[in-house]
Amino acid sequence: DAMVIQNPRYQVTQFGKPVTLSCSQTLNHNVMYWYQQKSSQAPKLLFHYYDKDFNNEADTPDNFQSRRPNTSFCFLDIRSPGLGDAAMYLCATTTGYNTEAFFGQGTRLTVV
Amino acid sequence: GNSVTQMEGPVTLSEEAFLTINCTYTATGYPSLFWYVQYPGEGLQLLLKATKADDKGSNKGFEATYRKETTSFHLEKGSVQVSDSAVYFCALSDQRSQGNLIFGKGTKLSVKP
Repeated sequence: DAMVIQNPRYQVTQFGKPVTLSCSQTLNHNVMYWYQQKSSQAPKLLFHYYDKDFNNEADTPDNFQSRRPNTSFCFLDIRSPGLGDAAMYLCATTTGYNTEAFFGQGTRLTVV
Repeated sequence: GNSVTQMEGPVTLSEEAFLTINCTYTATGYPSLFWYVQYPGEGLQLLLKATKADDKGSNKGFEATYRKETTSFHLEKGSVQVSDSAVYFCALSDQRSQGNLIFGKGTKLSVKP
């Protein structure tokens, strides 16, 4: 019955080696979000898609990119991970703005 | 801009104690307010929500009332359980922020048997 699914749950990548995190949803929601959550901090929005429209947050580093090939899937690409990019990455979906968000279980990224 | 301030943790309580976690917000419009809970190593789960002034959200014994006059959305539970141990985030969203959830810093709750 999982509605927002993130794969993998745990990802280890090498410093500077591109990595892709995956999110899929069975809710048919219009909006998909990617948040970064560092240890003991609140989640921070990186960007979101409203349908095919991409919306980047002003302070999201260029190192982070996203793709949404269809309604169900959204990917987070980190082009050259640094040690500071180690975090939990959370995907969320909503039907529209100002509505309840459904979160996946997150992917914990470790950079070695 | 919009912001959320919630009480610092950690909070440690004995089982069956009363819980209050304070949350206040600043918003220019009419936001929706949420409490999310995060168990160790997991993503966020919606605990409860309120979309307009004086609404009360409730779930699993937790309650919070949207108070526009005091710009608050305090979380309460009359009798906590060990299984309530988690991090609790107060958050708001509105149309202006394009649905971006503005989170408080989170409050870690530990309940001892």
